[in-house]
Amino acid sequence: GDSVTQMEGPVTLSEEAFLTINCTYTATGYPSLFWYVQYPGEGLQLLLKATKADDKGSNKGFEATYRKETTSFHLEKGSVQVSDSAVYFCARLTGTYKYIFGTGTRLKVLA
Amino acid sequence: DTAVSQTPKYLVTQMGNDKSIKCEQNLGHDTMYWYKQDSKKFLKIMFSYNNKELIINETVPNRFSPKSPDKAHLNLHINSLELGDSAVYFCASSRGTGAEAFFGQGTRLTVV
Repeated sequence: GDSVTQMEGPVTLSEEAFLTINCTYTATGYPSLFWYVQYPGEGLQLLLKATKADDKGSNKGFEATYRKETTSFHLEKGSVQVSDSAVYFCARLTGTYKYIFGTGTRLKVLA
Repeated sequence: DTAVSQTPKYLVTQMGNDKSIKCEQNLGHDTMYWYKQDSKKFLKIMFSYNNKELIINETVPNRFSPKSPDKAHLNLHINSLELGDSAVYFCASSRGTGAEAFFGQGTRLTVV
């Protein structure tokens, strides 16, 4: 079935370091792709999205490009902050009503 | 204004009890969901409703019964609670057109 695979965490970085969190998806159809962020004790918040190949989603300094040829949607940020510490989830939409999530990657940014 | 709100935020109960979690969205969305997040943060869809009709039921035990009285509400009733039901349950909603889903703050259920 459809799935999303993202890199295992935790990822620990120093402030202002470059961040990459890898995400790949099963190539069934042309799904919409999302990155969500979950801060401690909170629900999931949409970080960014892309709905077709070569689209680039961006928000709060984070970016991800929908790569059909590599079935990837890697999350990047040029300079992380302590406040970016959270769990990040890659997700795809299967059909119209089913969001499938990756296992989540915990990011810890040290001052 | 809270877009997707669920109550209660915390629920501690004994094995064998029956409990309900309520969810409401004020976004005008047609589709609502219940997700379960386990202790390792893994998120798994349980149910999806579109216009009050059940469209996804991901092999969830019969002890879990969702109810959608109208498009803005999707409640989750759980019978005969078991220790393994302990998790965080998230309600979500979407337009159902390929757009993103909006999540509630979660209900942390602890069965003792």
